[in-house]
Amino acid sequence: GENVEQHPSTLSVQEGDSAVIKCTYSDSASNYFPWYKQELGKRPQLIIDIRSNVGEKKDQRIAVTLNKTAKHFSLHITETQPEDSAVYFCAASIRNNRLAFGKGNQVVVIP
Amino acid sequence: KAGVTQTPRYLIKTRGQQVTLSCSPISGHRSVSWYQQTPGQGLQFLFEYFSETQRNKGNFPGRFSGRQFSNSRSEMNVSTLELGDSALYLCASSSTGPGYEQYFGPGTRLTVT
Repeated sequence: GENVEQHPSTLSVQEGDSAVIKCTYSDSASNYFPWYKQELGKRPQLIIDIRSNVGEKKDQRIAVTLNKTAKHFSLHITETQPEDSAVYFCAASIRNNRLAFGKGNQVVVIP
Repeated sequence: KAGVTQTPRYLIKTRGQQVTLSCSPISGHRSVSWYQQTPGQGLQFLFEYFSETQRNKGNFPGRFSGRQFSNSRSEMNVSTLELGDSALYLCASSSTGPGYEQYFGPGTRLTVT
C-alpha cells in the first residue's frame, strides 16, 4: 500500500509548549521520510528528513523520530513559537522512488 | 542558488479549455515532480520527469500530461478542463528524484469556472 496517515489533524498548543505530530505508513520498503511546513499562501518547505538507517534526527527545536518496526515516525517541535503555526506534511518514499504525502496537520500556536 | 520557479502564479480558465503550466527547477536538478494540492486531498502526485523521461505517473486521467526539456524545465498540460481541476499545482525539483531532498516551487493557482 501507499498510505501515509497523520494524526491529529489539528493541534493547538500554548506558546512555549511542545508539539508532536505522528505519521504512520504502510509500505515496508519506505526508507526516506521528510517533513514539510506550509505557511498560509506559501510553498511547502522541507524542514527536516530522516532515513531508515537512523532512529532520530534533530535540528535546533525540531526533531524527527522513526520506528520502522511499528511503521511510524513523528515530528517534535519544542519551545513552540507563533511562527511555528502552519500546516505540516509528512511523507514517505514508496515504490518507484516516489513520495506519498499525508493530508497534513494544522498546528496552531497560541500566544 | 535560485529556488524553484513556476509560471504563471494564477490562472482562471473556463470548462473545456486547456492550460499549460511551467516549472523551472533548481540549477543542476534533473528531477521534476508535479503535485495537485486541494484542501480535502492534500498533495496528490501527478508525475515525475527525469532527464526528459517520465519515470513515474500518479492516478490521474490522461487529460493531465507533461514533458521535460533538455534544460530540465518542465511543463504540465491539462486538456478539457473540469471544475474539479481547480487546485494549486506545485512542482518540486530534486537532484536525483523524489526519494531524496525535494524542493517545491510557489505553485500555480488554477481556477476553473
